[in-house]
Amino acid sequence: KNEVEQSPQNLTAQEGEFITINCSYSVGISALHWLQQHPGGGIVSLFMLSSGKKKHGRLIATINIQEKHSSLHITASHPRDSAVYICAVQNRDDKIIFGKGTRLHILP
Amino acid sequence: EPEVTQTPSHQVTQMGQEVILRCVPISNHLYFYWYRQILGQKVEFLVSFYNNEISEKSEIFDDQFSVERPDGSNFTLKIRSTKLEDSAMYFCASSRGQGREETQYFGPGTRLLVL
Repeated sequence: KNEVEQSPQNLTAQEGEFITINCSYSVGISALHWLQQHPGGGIVSLFMLSSGKKKHGRLIATINIQEKHSSLHITASHPRDSAVYICAVQNRDDKIIFGKGTRLHILP
Repeated sequence: EPEVTQTPSHQVTQMGQEVILRCVPISNHLYFYWYRQILGQKVEFLVSFYNNEISEKSEIFDDQFSVERPDGSNFTLKIRSTKLEDSAMYFCASSRGQGREETQYFGPGTRLLVL
């Protein structure tokens, strides 16, 4: 069983739609990361959170520690948001375990 | 804004050759990491490095791999005798500290192709 599960694996939406990507994990963590990987392969860190909610521009990340679940939301989605979004958890030994990613495609 | 840089962006090499991948972490960071992503697969942890020594390594990080911080700025990953299955994207990351408030910053990656 994967320690980090993301859903959906693939998501296609129209520009302007509200997007939600989910992440569930099974291990004890000290923090959870949301990362963005563009088609060229580079990775950008979007959020690191250990409780509650964080917001940056049109991106919102939430985490529920009791339920071992996190969500990444994108409001007013745009074609430039098209990328792979990766959930990764930092376990209590500070090792990062990555999910397989969600491939998001926003149509103009 | 400070960032992690990696060179080269792409490298093609023959099987059996040695390669060195270079990373320049953010200057006040103390913890350094290498990750690997084989095409179509998820990112995997290779090794973490602190205080001039390996603090943790995965089972992937066998004797053909080594890491070094040869000076105050560079952090390198050496693959001694490359195999076809080493073809992947290699990411370097650094962080100021460890724990719940210390985020890791990722470099853009080096795409390695072993022929």
